[in-house]
Amino acid sequence: DAGITQSPRHKVTETGTPVTLRCHQTENHRYMYWYRQDPGHGLRLIHYSYGVKDTDKGEVSDGYSVSRSKTEDFLLTLESATSSQTSVYFCAISESKGAGYEQFFGPGTRLTVL
Amino acid sequence: QKEVEQDPGPLSVPEGAIVSLNCTYSNSAFQYFMWYRQYSRKGPELLMYTYSSGNKEDGRFTAQVDKSSKYISLFIRDSQPSDSATYLCAMSAWIQGAQKLVFGQGTRLTINP
Repeated sequence: DAGITQSPRHKVTETGTPVTLRCHQTENHRYMYWYRQDPGHGLRLIHYSYGVKDTDKGEVSDGYSVSRSKTEDFLLTLESATSSQTSVYFCAISESKGAGYEQFFGPGTRLTVL
Repeated sequence: QKEVEQDPGPLSVPEGAIVSLNCTYSNSAFQYFMWYRQYSRKGPELLMYTYSSGNKEDGRFTAQVDKSSKYISLFIRDSQPSDSATYLCAMSAWIQGAQKLVFGQGTRLTINP
């Protein structure tokens, strides 16, 4: 599992509340990613990080912010949750393998916004 | 048009059958091609990884890439009920200093005993 944990694993919240999801890795990987997975859309990139304090936007970044103050932790924040952010959120890391990099995923966080 | 197209299925086959899963893509910048397997309520698990045209075999699984046609395939031989899962193709390129993956929608596969 590439030493990736996510917390919480499940969360139910109300519209308008802030929510923070945490991704923690134990193997000092430089690159970390946040995806969301929805029926009919597959996995879509929200934000990614290429080092401490170095982050950038992905395909579906509106309504989300991220922070990475330590190599091992990558936080995803929904400033004011909306029902359209109900989804399963996956964190991933990139690991160098031969000629390229492979991405490995965490177990996911199931978020419901009522 | 999506960058990566994958038939969502569902696909149902009898145990022992050969399964063929396919994806097409439009962005010629993609350099690496992957197949992930995802069991219900679990994270995607990397199954196959390749970066060149041709075939790569790992046990009962064969990944095939045809860059000229922008087409990738995953073949599963002697399929087992434990192969029942959603299979996602993914393609990556290095953009702005990071590896970006684009996923297909996923094909839900059921192997019937």
